[in-house]
Amino acid sequence: DAGVTQSPTHLIKTRGQQVTLRCSPKSGHDTVSWYQQALGQGPQFIFQYYEEEERQRGNFPDRFSGHQFPNYSSELNVNALLLGDSALYLCASSRQTGTANYGYTFGSGTRLTVV
Amino acid sequence: GENVGLHLPTLSVQEGDNSIINCAYSNSASDYFIWYKQESGKGPQFIIDIRSNMDKRQGQRVTVLLNKTVKHLSLQIAATQPGDSAVYFCAENNFNKFYFGSGTKLNVKP
Repeated sequence: DAGVTQSPTHLIKTRGQQVTLRCSPKSGHDTVSWYQQALGQGPQFIFQYYEEEERQRGNFPDRFSGHQFPNYSSELNVNALLLGDSALYLCASSRQTGTANYGYTFGSGTRLTVV
Repeated sequence: GENVGLHLPTLSVQEGDNSIINCAYSNSASDYFIWYKQESGKGPQFIIDIRSNMDKRQGQRVTVLLNKTVKHLSLQIAATQPGDSAVYFCAENNFNKFYFGSGTKLNVKP
């Protein structure tokens, strides 16, 4: 049973460009959350998708957007890249039951470098 | 975000000794906590969790203690092994969002 799968594993982009990162959740999971982890820091919550809608959002600008597809996979898009967007982007999937999430599982992340 | 912090950024222990990693959280309404282990180049890996209605939970070689009075978590690792070397994060869950501290790096000396 595959866990959370993220692609690509590494990416280099130029400042001002746009990037799309992808995540396939663990089998049986329906909720996807995205986190940004700067070097030497803990992950910071970006947003969460459930039923193809953004349900919660952290303190990130509108340059960060996302999407969830009917098969529960998700994309994270970042526009107008800044050098400070360089980080490890983590996807976590979980199963929504009522108001709670269960089985929170992280992928290995996409390392984005903006030059 | 929530203020989840750690007392020590780096902890060095001898192989075979017990390790204790501490964490403070700020939101008394948080109802669920997880300890994660993160090795270089990998995503966070679940170690153990605890709900706010408990004060202690044990796993294999690991124990998590929760003190809600002082909003403090600790992770105890018994008989620390070289493979335990990693960065450890505590995370608190509030309204289905996890808030992480900056992590403690555990170095296990052979």
